Amino acid sequence: DQQVKQNSPSLSVQEGRISILNCDYTNSMFDYFLWYKKYPAEGPTFLISISSIKDKNEDGRFTVFLNKSAKHLSLHIVPSQPGDSAVYFCAASGEGGGADGLTFGKGTHLIIQP
Amino acid sequence: DAGVTQSPTHLIKTRGQQVTLRCSPKSGHDTVSWYQQALGQGPQFIFQYYEEEERQRGNFPDRFSGHQFPNYSSELNVNALLLGDSALYLCASSPMLAKNIQYFGAGTRLSVL
Repeated sequence: DQQVKQNSPSLSVQEGRISILNCDYTNSMFDYFLWYKKYPAEGPTFLISISSIKDKNEDGRFTVFLNKSAKHLSLHIVPSQPGDSAVYFCAASGEGGGADGLTFGKGTHLIIQP
Repeated sequence: DAGVTQSPTHLIKTRGQQVTLRCSPKSGHDTVSWYQQALGQGPQFIFQYYEEEERQRGNFPDRFSGHQFPNYSSELNVNALLLGDSALYLCASSPMLAKNIQYFGAGTRLSVL
């Protein structure tokens, strides 16, 4: 049973436009959410995170939105750049500050087209 | 400042063999977690080490074991390898006070033939 779901295996966006990546979760004990970016032959790179006490967190071009009632979060990238082409993973952790390890979705492959 | 380093980069083993993977955490980090990433999947949590003890474990059999050394580096051991153990093994480190944000190494690609 997948507790973190990324239902779009891939997403194609034109350079300069907004990229929106979605993630749903089922475990109501999750209280911290993270987005990672992964290039081929590299490990996942931390992008941005959000605590369950907030509904938005912004860092430069990246904004994460959390809707707790819908158990849904999204990552917005504005404007999208060619270097943003990568696989994006949504991850969640529960109480204990990550002591349970992170639970990941299957990832969304973002392709930025020129 | 070196990030998380893993060795070896690639490894080929045959069924039934044993393998040891190594990880050095980012400077200042004392907690190490291991993940298995199968093709087309997200990373799956294997276990986490802190103060040289296994603190939490995911849904992996006892064939998967680990160790953490006084310098915080860590090893992942897998016994009696199965074909299904072929995957990318990722090590992540984090400081005790901010365990939620984990920083990953590039991984070890294990192929079991």
